Amino acid sequence: GAVVSQHPSRVICKSGTSVKIECRSLDFQATTMFWYRQFPKQSLMLMATSNEGSKATYEQGVEKDKFLINHASLTLSTLTVTSAHPEDSSFYICSARDITKNTEAFFGQGTRLTVV
Amino acid sequence: AQSVTQLGSHVSVSEGALVLLRCNYSSSVPPYLFWYVQYPNQGLQLLLKYTSAATLVKGINGFEAEFKKSETSFHLTKPSAHMSDAAEYFCAVSLIQTGANNLFFGTGTRLTVIP
Repeated sequence: GAVVSQHPSRVICKSGTSVKIECRSLDFQATTMFWYRQFPKQSLMLMATSNEGSKATYEQGVEKDKFLINHASLTLSTLTVTSAHPEDSSFYICSARDITKNTEAFFGQGTRLTVV
Repeated sequence: AQSVTQLGSHVSVSEGALVLLRCNYSSSVPPYLFWYVQYPNQGLQLLLKYTSAATLVKGINGFEAEFKKSETSFHLTKPSAHMSDAAEYFCAVSLIQTGANNLFFGTGTRLTVIP
């Protein structure tokens, strides 16, 4: 199946700093990418959807100025958590699909963010 | 609106025993249903999906699920648990056959396999 690579797998940062998470599609064109957040013992919640070359669409309650999403190419999307705080500590997962081929979405390995 | 309920946040079975993970859905229109598995510190992997063809769906690693409209259920089963099956399992519902951005996930069930 298609491969989506997410980096880093783990990151620890100090409160107030920014963290960038990368999501790459390795063997297909990711026209659309999705970012999810998973709090402990809870399910995945969609944060935003991004289409290549367009601004991301954020779900209700997600701060677009805090969670910056860039999808500048067909193989790479980044999520930047700006001015991170301990409450942003979570597991972030991306998924990607090729909308032109109507494929399912393939998930990355996830990034565990800890803000201290 | 669509939603799924997974009964039991934790399920423990002995190695070789039957695995049954429960999922009930709510949808105003015929749904597409998915089961994903998540191993520690990894992303989600699609196990199987129901897309309105056969009601009994076979997936990877010996798992299968049966869509029962009358019970609004899509329970996941495996006849004989293996140690490598220990993971978190998520049921999801979508209006879109491919799932994509329209996936609504349940809260997950952690499966523990006892040697």
